[in-house]
Amino acid sequence: AQSVSQHNHHVILSEAASLELGCNYSYGGTVNLFWYVQYPGQHLQLLLKYFSGDPLVKGIKGFEAEFIKSKFSFNLRKPSVQWSDTAEYFCAFFPNTGNQFYFGTGTSLTVIP
Amino acid sequence: AAGVIQSPRHLIKEKRETATLKCYPIPRHDTVYWYQQGPGQDPQFLISFYEKMQSDKGSIPDRFSAQQFSDYHSELNMSSLELGDSALYFCASSSWTSGGPYEQYFGPGTRLTVT
Repeated sequence: AQSVSQHNHHVILSEAASLELGCNYSYGGTVNLFWYVQYPGQHLQLLLKYFSGDPLVKGIKGFEAEFIKSKFSFNLRKPSVQWSDTAEYFCAFFPNTGNQFYFGTGTSLTVIP
Repeated sequence: AAGVIQSPRHLIKEKRETATLKCYPIPRHDTVYWYQQGPGQDPQFLISFYEKMQSDKGSIPDRFSAQQFSDYHSELNMSSLELGDSALYFCASSSWTSGGPYEQYFGPGTRLTVT
């Protein structure tokens, strides 16, 4: 069955620390991969996406993610987090032959000033 | 730029009551998706519509129904509400001619509380 696994449920970092959030998906076919961010009280916003090509993709606000096909992973990274990055982060995939998103359970990131 | 609009933003209902949630997609978007996000959970796909026809169905309970109207707005009707229906319901819209289903824009959600 299709699923997304996010390894960390809660992450607490100090400002300027580096961030890496793990994401693994389970699906036998070709997928399109996404990271969404949900700031407190707000809607989901797209951070970055991967469809094909260079497995290292850059998104908004200094975020990047690397697709490693052999590991079915799409980890999110940021070299230096800011207090404003405090939010919930969701990894998701959309199968090439499917009609819906599959979301992970989310990672809550708290950045301490 | 115009975004996805949902109304109401907050709704409180009692058990066994009915609720209607509305979603207004971005202009010229032809597809609407509904998701349910329980407390501390990931968004779960409920149902989607393309050009006013149901295009896909996810984990939507039989007590729920939805439709898309001629102006492309969509309504999610929920009957015989249960405590477990308390969640954030948000919709997303996309355009098949521009980005397709991968370019979904999400609304702010309706927070439904069932007491």
